[in-house]
Amino acid sequence: DAGVTQSPTHLIKTRGQHVTLRCSPISGHKSVSWYQQVLGQGPQFIFQYYEKEERGRGNFPDRFSARQFPNYSSELNVNALLLGDSALYLCASSLQGAVFLFEQYFGPGTRLTVT
Amino acid sequence: AQSVTQPDIHITVSEGASLELRCNYSYGATPYLFWYVQSPGQGLQLLLKYFSGDTLVQGIKGFEAEFKRSQSSFNLRKPSVHWSDAAEYFCAVGARSGGSNYKLTFGKGTLLTVNP
Repeated sequence: DAGVTQSPTHLIKTRGQHVTLRCSPISGHKSVSWYQQVLGQGPQFIFQYYEKEERGRGNFPDRFSARQFPNYSSELNVNALLLGDSALYLCASSLQGAVFLFEQYFGPGTRLTVT
Repeated sequence: AQSVTQPDIHITVSEGASLELRCNYSYGATPYLFWYVQSPGQGLQLLLKYFSGDTLVQGIKGFEAEFKRSQSSFNLRKPSVHWSDAAEYFCAVGARSGGSNYKLTFGKGTLLTVNP
């Protein structure tokens, strides 16, 4: 079975630009979460979506937004990019159900570099 | 708010030696605890999880972890380390962040180096 897929793999953007990252969950999974992992740190929670509704938001500015589509895939958008947004962006999916919301399966990530 | 502390930034062990990676959490209610492994340039792979029940949990690749509520700890162990275990290990706690919202909070990770 295919795991979580993310695109693109790598991305280079300039300060002030906008970026869209994409994620496809494991088949049957209805929840998608996004994480930012800065070099040398653990992943930090950005958003969680379940059944196309936002179910959680981390401490990130409004420049970060996301949405989930009817097929449960998801997009993460970041506006007005800053140098500090350079990071590995991870997407994770999980099954429905309260407990299963925590057992997440991660994609390989998108490496974003802002210059 | 929940938090996770991994006291050891970097650990080096010899191949075949035993391993223990420490994890302490802070959370007011019963935590959901996880260990993930990340190899260079890769995403995270779930090693094991604790939701309830037996406090000693078995995971993949020969890893196990023990939940100790009195010490707020969830340490990861392996009796004999293989060179392929070299990676970064993250402990995480899952909890409600309000209403029907949930979040997973990670520690900063422990980098494991395995010497031949």
